[in-house]
Amino acid sequence: EVQLVESGGDLVQPGGSLRLSCEASGFTFNKYWMSWVRQAPGKGPEWVANIKEDGSDIHYLDSVKGRFTISRDNVKNSLYLQMSSLRVEDTAVYYCLRDYGGWWGQGTLVTVSS
Amino acid sequence: QPVVTQEPSLTVSPGGTVTLTCGSSTESVTDLLYPYWFQQKPGQVPRALIFDTSNRHSWTPARFSGSLLGGKAALTLSGAQPEDEADYYCLLYGGYRVFGGGTRLTVL
Repeated sequence: EVQLVESGGDLVQPGGSLRLSCEASGFTFNKYWMSWVRQAPGKGPEWVANIKEDGSDIHYLDSVKGRFTISRDNVKNSLYLQMSSLRVEDTAVYYCLRDYGGWWGQGTLVTVSS
Repeated sequence: QPVVTQEPSLTVSPGGTVTLTCGSSTESVTDLLYPYWFQQKPGQVPRALIFDTSNRHSWTPARFSGSLLGGKAALTLSGAQPEDEADYYCLLYGGYRVFGGGTRLTVL
């Protein structure tokens, strides 16, 4: 069974940094594109970034370009999101998503507030 | 990045049929955008119902079907049940992935 477990969410001040992790199991991790998706309170999901199976192709939502970095470790079956220069509007639950089939983790809450 | 549009809200009677649509601001939706449909109930994580236009997951009731309709992706619910009341989001896979704004479906 596909399992995705996110961690790393926290309360952080504007301008701060945070690193999210997602541990994958139940499938061959290095054969799938992976994404980060976020959902602000009371809003719909918003795709943030994705990364190809071998990390050679990466795309970002315009509003996070230059601030967020997606990466993966296919040995550790893990996906990461390094977030810097955080803004209040980045507050959301962040989900790890396996692109094919649309599998979601349970999410980790990032709150950006002073 | 394109804007993906969905009906903000729809109402269907129990046992009735309703079609939700998903359009792109920049192009007609085709199989090459691999449309996905997600269902989200209050307090829950979104769950994929349909992927690659029309493929159901093992947990997707047969009353849900995906298709292309007039340049849009479509999710048709035939024989609506009270438990189908939820928010529904489409996702298009271009070079970017873009979610629609969602449709709140009421079964009433």
